[in-house]
Amino acid sequence: DTGVSQNPRHKITKRGQNVTFRCDPISEHNRLYWYRQTLGQGPEFLTYFQNEAQLEKSRLLSDRFSAERPKGSFSTLEIQRTEQGDSAMYLCASSPVPGQGWNEQFFGPGTRLTVL
Amino acid sequence: AQTVTQSQPEMSVQEAETVTLSCTYDTSESDYYLFWYKQPPSRQMILVIRQEAYKQQNATENRFSVNFQKAAKSFSLKISDSQLGDAAMYFCAYEGGGSNYKLTFGKGTLLTVNP
Repeated sequence: DTGVSQNPRHKITKRGQNVTFRCDPISEHNRLYWYRQTLGQGPEFLTYFQNEAQLEKSRLLSDRFSAERPKGSFSTLEIQRTEQGDSAMYLCASSPVPGQGWNEQFFGPGTRLTVL
Repeated sequence: AQTVTQSQPEMSVQEAETVTLSCTYDTSESDYYLFWYKQPPSRQMILVIRQEAYKQQNATENRFSVNFQKAAKSFSLKISDSQLGDAAMYFCAYEGGGSNYKLTFGKGTLLTVNP
């Protein structure tokens, strides 16, 4: 197991284009999270899945953003009609379902999006 | 809503010395978890240490320890015997103890280790 992987690592696009990112979690991790990190800020929560169900979405996730996790395995995050303000690092994390208490989230390397 | 504040944008330490990174948070919950994550340059974020709010004893992981002051809502990270590999961005994070599993992060502290 090589950990959480994300593709692509970098994406440059023109304003108005659609982009899609992929996240492959650690196998058998039931939970998958998406965060966005802009320059000089900590990661901000976007959404999370337990298996294939999307259980929570942040207000940051406008209607141009959509996330899916078909079959509870990998996840995709699509941004439609990109804007310059969407430029950020998009981080994916996964965690097992804990028996009790806390759960460690394992982060991927991120996809850096630049919107020109 | 929970907030996490890291008041030190940058810190530096000499190799082999000790440094303390500060973090305060605001919450109305009584059950929660606190974390310090490390993000090396161009590498993924990894967990350094965690603290359960119901535990009075401060967590320790090798050279890393925390000073958890629940009443003051303070959660600082102490790195002893600093090494060059400790240079990174450090983020303090909060997780609610209910079914809310999302992490709320501070803005981070960039730690430089000088040889």
